[in-house]
Amino acid sequence: QVQLQESGPGLVKPSETLSLTCSVSGGSVSSGNYYWSWIRQPPGKGLEWIGYIYDSGSTNYNPSLKSRVTISVHTSKNQFSLKLSSVTAADTAVYYCARESITVAGTVFDYWGQGTLVIVSS
Amino acid sequence: AIQMTQSPSSLSASVGDRVTITCRASQGIRNDLGWYQQKPGKAPNLLIYASSSLQSGVPSRFSGSGSGTDFTLTISSLQPEDFATYYCLQDYNYPRTFGQGTKVEIK
Repeated sequence: QVQLQESGPGLVKPSETLSLTCSVSGGSVSSGNYYWSWIRQPPGKGLEWIGYIYDSGSTNYNPSLKSRVTISVHTSKNQFSLKLSSVTAADTAVYYCARESITVAGTVFDYWGQGTLVIVSS
Repeated sequence: AIQMTQSPSSLSASVGDRVTITCRASQGIRNDLGWYQQKPGKAPNLLIYASSSLQSGVPSRFSGSGSGTDFTLTISSLQPEDFATYYCLQDYNYPRTFGQGTKVEIK
């Protein structure tokens, strides 16, 4: 059974960098059939796709966040991470890591972490 | 980016009711659409993929249909555990985009 678990600071100051890590068990971040992804959800609002890392290095980011986002992978630890720079209150959200699986019928987000709330405040 | 518009934003229904939620894409996306259920404080859970394929373990009262720009999620007989928020998601291209959600509440 694949499990994902987010970790990182729950409070970040404005203009600083948000850093989160997703630890994966029951599967390998080095596997070529999956996009290891980040998705966020502001309190009481909908879901926003942030980006993914694939095949131990290829990335794809939401253009709305691209200038501030970096996703990287740490294969020895079976983890991947998110960095979001120059944060503002608008970046306050629950951040989810998720696995997007490539199937013959398209892709699906089949495994998710429980989510971690990050508040941007001084 | 493709815009996904769900309707209604919320609805009230009773146990046993048939419920229909629609999702419209701003351009054609073939059948590259999934439906996710989210309960308060939990991560979303995949219900339907490729517009109409039921994810393993999901009850058969959930069904999906549609192609191109218009899609539907139907719950044939609403159960107490189905009260949640439902999101559509297009996997036609990137950036992936979700609908704004439909909250299904108890009448």
